[in-house]
Amino acid sequence: SQQGEEDPQALSIQEGENATMNCSYKTSINNLQWYRQNSGRGLVHLILIRSNEREKHSGRLRVTLDTSKKSSSLLITASRAADTASYFCATDRGGYQKVTFGTGTKLQVIP
Amino acid sequence: IAGITQAPTSQILAAGRRMTLRCTQDMRHNAMYWYRQDLGLGLRLIHYSNTAGTTGKGEVPDGYSVSRANTDDFPLTLASAVPSQTSVYFCASSDLRTDTQYFGPGTRLTVL
Repeated sequence: SQQGEEDPQALSIQEGENATMNCSYKTSINNLQWYRQNSGRGLVHLILIRSNEREKHSGRLRVTLDTSKKSSSLLITASRAADTASYFCATDRGGYQKVTFGTGTKLQVIP
Repeated sequence: IAGITQAPTSQILAAGRRMTLRCTQDMRHNAMYWYRQDLGLGLRLIHYSNTAGTTGKGEVPDGYSVSRANTDDFPLTLASAVPSQTSVYFCASSDLRTDTQYFGPGTRLTVL
């Protein structure tokens, strides 16, 4: 079963706009990670936020975590065509077998 | 080698045949994982290994086996392939200190 569920499933925006993706999960977590997957490629780690953190930044990425609502959001500012990819959240409940990936948000950035 | 490599890139296999997907990492990570990715289902963990010599079952282990004879290699074997095992398979590894997983490029497997 999926621990994390992303919303929306698909998102299409114009280049330069901001893109926001959300992730909801069901049980307590140690940390939450966001990954990116270009078509036909493996996943690439973007950012990790721990359960005691509320916000984290990395370049044009901003991640928030609300443990009371069991949700996280990924904001990509000033999007570029090269940001077109699928984005997955992964929740880590502790222990190697307890990282669970969501079904992903497919982002299309139109030049 | 830099990172994780997987072989083959793609494979078409007749049902009932045995197949081993190979995975090698050069980052000296302790933990390694095998996932399958299916449309609409995201990534699901098949098997994992915390360290050389140990393995464990993930969410969907049936029909698959793994071994971890050394730190670098983590092969996944389908003893008798079935069409429902048609999928894209990803190998990943992680460092104990960072919790970040590093993924290989994937193997696209079709079982007819």
